[in-house]
Amino acid sequence: EAGVVQSPRYKIIEKKQPVAFWCNPISGHNTLYWYRQNLGQGPELLIRYENEEAVDDSQLPKDRFSAERLKGVDSTLKIQPAELGDSAVYLCASSFPRSVAFFGQGTRLTVV
Amino acid sequence: AQKVTQAQTEISVVEKEDVTLDCVYETRDTTYYLFWYKQPPSGELVFLIRRNSFDEQNEISGRYSWNFQKSTSSFNFTITASQVVDSAVYFCALSEADTGGFKTIFGAGTRLFVKA
Repeated sequence: EAGVVQSPRYKIIEKKQPVAFWCNPISGHNTLYWYRQNLGQGPELLIRYENEEAVDDSQLPKDRFSAERLKGVDSTLKIQPAELGDSAVYLCASSFPRSVAFFGQGTRLTVV
Repeated sequence: AQKVTQAQTEISVVEKEDVTLDCVYETRDTTYYLFWYKQPPSGELVFLIRRNSFDEQNEISGRYSWNFQKSTSSFNFTITASQVVDSAVYFCALSEADTGGFKTIFGAGTRLFVKA
């Protein structure tokens, strides 16, 4: 069974440029999460979807970050414009409702 | 408020030694879940265990064991006879019921080095 798939694995961009990350969750998982993990820290939730509805986006910096989950399956996370402080690993996870979350390998973003 | 504290930033052991990773949590809820995840150098978080707040039985899975004590709000993780492949960052996490689902927060992680 395929796990959570994220792309790209690595991205280097100049500040002020836009960037997008893609996530394909495990088949059948209604809940999808985007986390940001700064160096040496634990993941922090950015947004949680139940199907196509964003039920918790309180930690998403909405001035520059946006996310969508069309048709309740794949999801994209976008940053526009990127800032130096956005350099981090962006992790996607999925789960059945109220169940264990399984994580992808993440996208390592470097903003220069 | 939720909080997860992993006081050990890094631990270094020699292969075959036993090692315990500490986790202390704070919550006001009576219903919650605790997790341990492993993050190897490849980057993904690998699920190890989930416990709910009503089940304080300790659990053993091969070389891994977990000690859940509500009285001290701790959920410690022990690796017996450590191996080089155990080298990774280990995260403890707490999940509480929230509007529409569960809200999960992670500790800062403990980096484990196992030397041959």
